[in-house]
Amino acid sequence: GQNIDQPTEMTATEGAIVQINCTYQTSGFNGLFWYQQHAGEAPTFLSYNVLDGLEEKGRFSSFLSRSKGYSYLLLKELQMKDSASYLCAPREGYQKVTFGIGTKLQVIP
Amino acid sequence: IAGITQAPTSQILAAGRRMTLRCTQDMRHNAMYWYRQDLGLGLRLIHYSNTAGTTGKGEVPDGYSVSRANTDDFPLTLASAVPSQTSVYFCASSDSTGAYGYTFGSGTRLTVV
Repeated sequence: GQNIDQPTEMTATEGAIVQINCTYQTSGFNGLFWYQQHAGEAPTFLSYNVLDGLEEKGRFSSFLSRSKGYSYLLLKELQMKDSASYLCAPREGYQKVTFGIGTKLQVIP
Repeated sequence: IAGITQAPTSQILAAGRRMTLRCTQDMRHNAMYWYRQDLGLGLRLIHYSNTAGTTGKGEVPDGYSVSRANTDDFPLTLASAVPSQTSVYFCASSDSTGAYGYTFGSGTRLTVV
């Protein structure tokens, strides 16, 4: 099975940088996804890390350390539209993806 | 526009009734999934299908059934709805590798009364 731990809520200021941490315990680890979910909407794919290190994609970056069971999502130059929940989702094998409850990020002016 | 279509968008259903939630994708993805999302519990996998003709059970399969007669369609059936099945249901799909993430439908909000 998989245990996923991420903060329930975070608040950050528009224009700032925020880091959302995720720790997980899994067997047969095969990568980790980050998804964004706005209230009342479907999750949308942000990133997928398989190897250790930082993956950068525009304002969003995701980091993975497999040995530590740790990942983070870094959001730069925060915008109001970034207010959403961010879901950490480790993958076990090919089809077993477990979603965390998510971190609700509120961006304030 | 390529993606996943779910129907209905929302539904109020009497307990004990049978209901099928529809899901269709036009991306030719091999794998499809059904999740339910409840406050405080996150997304939980109900059933999945790796390819047409095959299905598998997820974390919370009881009370639900699925079929995968072709690549595009993956309906979810509640044989006899109960109030605990009140939830938001998301259908998703991915290619065989899954490395590009899942594409989710817009969801079906189901209330069982």
